[in-house]
Amino acid sequence: EVQLVESGGGLVQPGGSLRLSCAASGFTFNSHYMTWVRQAPGKGLESVAKIKPDGSEKYYADSVKGRFTMSRDNAKNLLYLQMNSLRAEDTGVYYCTREHWWRCDCWGQGVLVTVSS
Amino acid sequence: QSALTQPPSASESPGQSVTISCTGTSSDVGDYNYVSWYQQHPGKAPKLIIYEVTKRPSGVPDRFSGSKSGNTASLTVSGLQAEDEADYYCSSYAGSSNLVFGGGTKLTVL
Repeated sequence: EVQLVESGGGLVQPGGSLRLSCAASGFTFNSHYMTWVRQAPGKGLESVAKIKPDGSEKYYADSVKGRFTMSRDNAKNLLYLQMNSLRAEDTGVYYCTREHWWRCDCWGQGVLVTVSS
Repeated sequence: QSALTQPPSASESPGQSVTISCTGTSSDVGDYNYVSWYQQHPGKAPKLIIYEVTKRPSGVPDRFSGSKSGNTASLTVSGLQAEDEADYYCSSYAGSSNLVFGGGTKLTVL
């Protein structure tokens, strides 16, 4: 069974940092693009970062470019999102997803990030 | 990259059909057959229900169908059931490895 389990969310002050993790299982992790998708409270979905299967290329939304860094450890089937200089507008649920031919076909349960003083 | 445009809400009675639109541009929906639809129940993660405009993943009822004309994609839910009440999101490939989502449509089954 394909499973994605996020962790690392929580409450952080504006300007602070947080690192999200995603543990993948049930599929060949190193063969897939992976994407972080976030959802602000009561709002729609936004793709914020994507990484190639071998980790050689990463793509970021303009809203997080220069502040967020995505990485992966294919030996451990782990995905990361390092979030720095956090702002109130970064508040929301962050989902780890498997992206296959421009569709997110598997989603984690999501992890809540709250940026507030 | 701008979000795709969806109506904020839609409603219909059980057993009826409803269609939700997703309008993009010639740089995303109009240029690629990589339109997907997701269903999200309250407090849950989204679930893929349509991909590549018309295809359904295994396990998704054939009551869900997708189509596209020009820059607008559509999701049709036939034979509405109470459990279809949810938020629905479209997405499209927009070139240069960009994936853009719609703002979502809240479907109410009356």
